[in-house]
Amino acid sequence: DAKTTQPTSMDCAEGRAANLPCNHSTISGNEYVYWYRQIHSQGPQYIIHGLKNNETNEMASLIITEDRKSSTLILPHATLRDTAVYYCIVQNRLYGNKLVFGAGTILRVKS
Amino acid sequence: EAGVTQFPSHSVIEKGQTVTLRCDPISGHDNLYWYRRVMGKEIKFLLHFVKESKQDESGMPNNRFLAERTGGTYSTLKVQPAELEDSGVYFCASSQADTFASLPEAFFGQGTRLTVV
Repeated sequence: DAKTTQPTSMDCAEGRAANLPCNHSTISGNEYVYWYRQIHSQGPQYIIHGLKNNETNEMASLIITEDRKSSTLILPHATLRDTAVYYCIVQNRLYGNKLVFGAGTILRVKS
Repeated sequence: EAGVTQFPSHSVIEKGQTVTLRCDPISGHDNLYWYRRVMGKEIKFLLHFVKESKQDESGMPNNRFLAERTGGTYSTLKVQPAELEDSGVYFCASSQADTFASLPEAFFGQGTRLTVV
């Protein structure tokens, strides 16, 4: 599985956009980029995923660079409830659908 | 629609005892996964069912762990005998069948916190 690199932690002011980077320089052509988050004491929660194109849903936007070696998850208006650990995961159909979690980024949204 | 349900939410057992964790996936989800997080470590994959069949059990730590999925519905994960290092949070997740277009997202349960003393 391709490896991902994320900053250990980030802070964001409430109401501002949170931009969480992820490096996946060894990603291969058939691998998707997925983002999950885990709010304290809960199970991981799916946020968004993409292959090549930028994606947007009701939770977030995903920006993938043209060479696909990095991506950014954007929470447009962060709230205190967005404080969580955010995981960037590269997933390959060849290896089934199992998720390989790294350490993730601890996002602290502050008022 | 009910989400992924795990039972119990907490379990405290003595070393050497047996514990069985249960997971009820979202109805109609063919894929069922077990993960766990032990203290201070990352969430690790344990195994993957497609319906009632084990697709991938490469993450099962040893033969003290036994997972089953009866009739392709709910799943159980039995630890026998439990050891101290088995303490952690066990997560179950389910997802729909794969499509050509994309890998479906996984929906996680709240987890079972297992403490072995």
